[in-house]
Amino acid sequence: EEQLVESGGGLVQPGGSLRLSCAVSEFSFNTYDINWVRQAPGRGLEWVSYIARSGDPIYYADSVKGRFTISRDNAKNSLYLQMNSLRAEDTALYYCATSYYFGSGLFKWGQGTLVTVSS
Amino acid sequence: NFMLTQPHSVSESPGKTVTISCTRSSGSIASSYVQWYQHRPGSSPLIVIYDDDQRASGVPDRFSGSIDRSSDSASLTISGLQTEDEADYYCQSFDASNAYWVFGGGTKLTVL
Repeated sequence: EEQLVESGGGLVQPGGSLRLSCAVSEFSFNTYDINWVRQAPGRGLEWVSYIARSGDPIYYADSVKGRFTISRDNAKNSLYLQMNSLRAEDTALYYCATSYYFGSGLFKWGQGTLVTVSS
Repeated sequence: NFMLTQPHSVSESPGKTVTISCTRSSGSIASSYVQWYQHRPGSSPLIVIYDDDQRASGVPDRFSGSIDRSSDSASLTISGLQTEDEADYYCQSFDASNAYWVFGGGTKLTVL
């Protein structure tokens, strides 16, 4: 069965960095665009970033622009999110999710990885 | 960016029908497709409706989606409610001008 598995979450101090990974198995990773979506405690879903199957284009939500960097390695079936200058408001469960084309819905989701930014 | 506004919560009895609305703040609801996601506690979000009114694979036909151009709103209707339908439901659309995926605030559905 097709699966996305996130990892790399944890506790980090404000101003620190963290790198999330999303490993994909059982399907052709390079045929999908992929997004990061997060959910802060007690809040709703928030789109964070998008990367096309070729690696370009890339887009970010205003709340993370300039601090987060999305990338992918199609040879390793993996997606990454480098998060720098982390803030308390970045505390959330981070999901990776596939989309079929630019602007489409998000069809397959991972189980999420928790990021906590606190001193 | 436009916003999508949903009621905070709705409740209905098992076997009944419920409709959850999603209103776009600016621009036409028809300018980008609307999706709906079911999110149960402890689970990942699950797409139930895509492209306004298409049921995702494996989703029962009790779930249906529609848009209303006159009110710039979308709706998710669930008929024959079951206790397992209890979840948070999010609408989502795409802001093509700014390359932004927009989510509604979510609606908590209680089946009691």
